[in-house]
Amino acid sequence: NAGVTQTPKFQVLKTGQSMTLQCAQDMNHNSMYWYRQDPGMGLRLIYYSASEGTTDKGEVPNGYNVSRLNKREFSLRLESAAPSQTSVYFCASSARTGAEETQYFGPGTRLLVL
Amino acid sequence: SQQGEEDPQALSIQEGENATMNCSYKTSINNLQWYRQNSGRGLVHLILIRSNEREKHSGRLRVTLDTSKKSSSLLITASRAADTASYFCATGHGGSNYKLTFGKGTLLTVNP
Repeated sequence: NAGVTQTPKFQVLKTGQSMTLQCAQDMNHNSMYWYRQDPGMGLRLIYYSASEGTTDKGEVPNGYNVSRLNKREFSLRLESAAPSQTSVYFCASSARTGAEETQYFGPGTRLLVL
Repeated sequence: SQQGEEDPQALSIQEGENATMNCSYKTSINNLQWYRQNSGRGLVHLILIRSNEREKHSGRLRVTLDTSKKSSSLLITASRAADTASYFCATGHGGSNYKLTFGKGTLLTVNP
């Protein structure tokens, strides 16, 4: 099992460019999440998908869109990148078994917006 | 906004010593979890303690939870250089809209 995979690993964008971060999990998990991690800020939830076909906003959704393509895949799109979106982005998944959910994380995508 | 806050922000110890990290939170929780992040990697789940539990062990890890003080501690005994990482507490809360909220982390450095 590969677990949670993310592509690309690194990306440099110019302000205003768009891109999609890809995430896939092979653990048959229902729930998937996108976080951003900034120095001194910990992890902040951008969007999540509790189950296939549903998506909801997290703490910092502005400037992002998501698509739950199927049970395995959850993508994050930046329509018009801004320097404030320079960050490390993590995708996670969980089985969502009641109230004892643990999350499994991908290796992250490091994004620099110039 | 962050639910959990770890203390200290950074901790440096010698190999073989014990490391203690604390986490405080603000609202009621279903459970509290600890995750480790090695430099440049994703987070890895370490241990989960339910709101009705007071202490839990896993190998060299010991977690305590005091819901009256809204605080938890993670103790790593007999630390090793390989324990060098950032440690995050995450509070699980909500019912059908259950989510984890992560703190800002404690950077632990274990010197050989």
